[in-house]
Amino acid sequence: QVQLQESGPGLVKPSQTLSLTCTVSGGSINSGSHYWSWIRQPAGKGLEWIGRIYFSGSTNYNPSLKSRVTISVDTSKNQFSLKLTSMTAADTAVYYCARDKLGDVGVNWGQGTLVTVSS
Amino acid sequence: QSVLTQPPSVSAAPGQKVTISCSGSSSNIGNNYVSWYQQLPGTAPKLLIYDNDKRPSGIPDRFSGSKSGTSATLGIAGLQTGDEADYYCGAWDSSLTTGLFVFGSGTKVSVL
Repeated sequence: QVQLQESGPGLVKPSQTLSLTCTVSGGSINSGSHYWSWIRQPAGKGLEWIGRIYFSGSTNYNPSLKSRVTISVDTSKNQFSLKLTSMTAADTAVYYCARDKLGDVGVNWGQGTLVTVSS
Repeated sequence: QSVLTQPPSVSAAPGQKVTISCSGSSSNIGNNYVSWYQQLPGTAPKLLIYDNDKRPSGIPDRFSGSKSGTSATLGIAGLQTGDEADYYCGAWDSSLTTGLFVFGSGTKVSVL
């Protein structure tokens, strides 16, 4: 069974760049049947799709975040990553990585990692 | 402001059935598949329904999904205390040239 695990800093200063990594186990990130997504959830609020990547490097981003987001993939490490620049308090949230099956988003999810933006 | 609209909360007694609506538009639900997710307190969301009405392996048939026009519905039959959770709908939105996946505002299910 595929498992996903997010890793990265829990605290980021305002204006800095967030870097998170999702490590995939129990399945290959090279699978042509899957995309790999990042989704976030502020405390007490709903889910927001950030974007996703295919193993080839092809990406889709949420237009509201597109100017600040980069999602990349490292097939040799079976990982994909999120970079979000110019962080503000509004970016404080639990960040989830997920495996999609083609058009179906979030077939499998990581446990999530809380990122707080504060000086 | 979520693109997909859900009622904030629904409730029912154990054993009863609840339905959760998800209202969108022709650019999302009207022309794309709908998914539903269950988020138990303190945990990551879990896929309950995909492609409008299909259940992943391991999801009980108490959970059902349907779609009509620009709205979708999740049904939970034989309500159990373990079903208390937040439920979200989701769909691709084709209003922009780039793909955008949108989630509903979320519905809290309470078992009375």
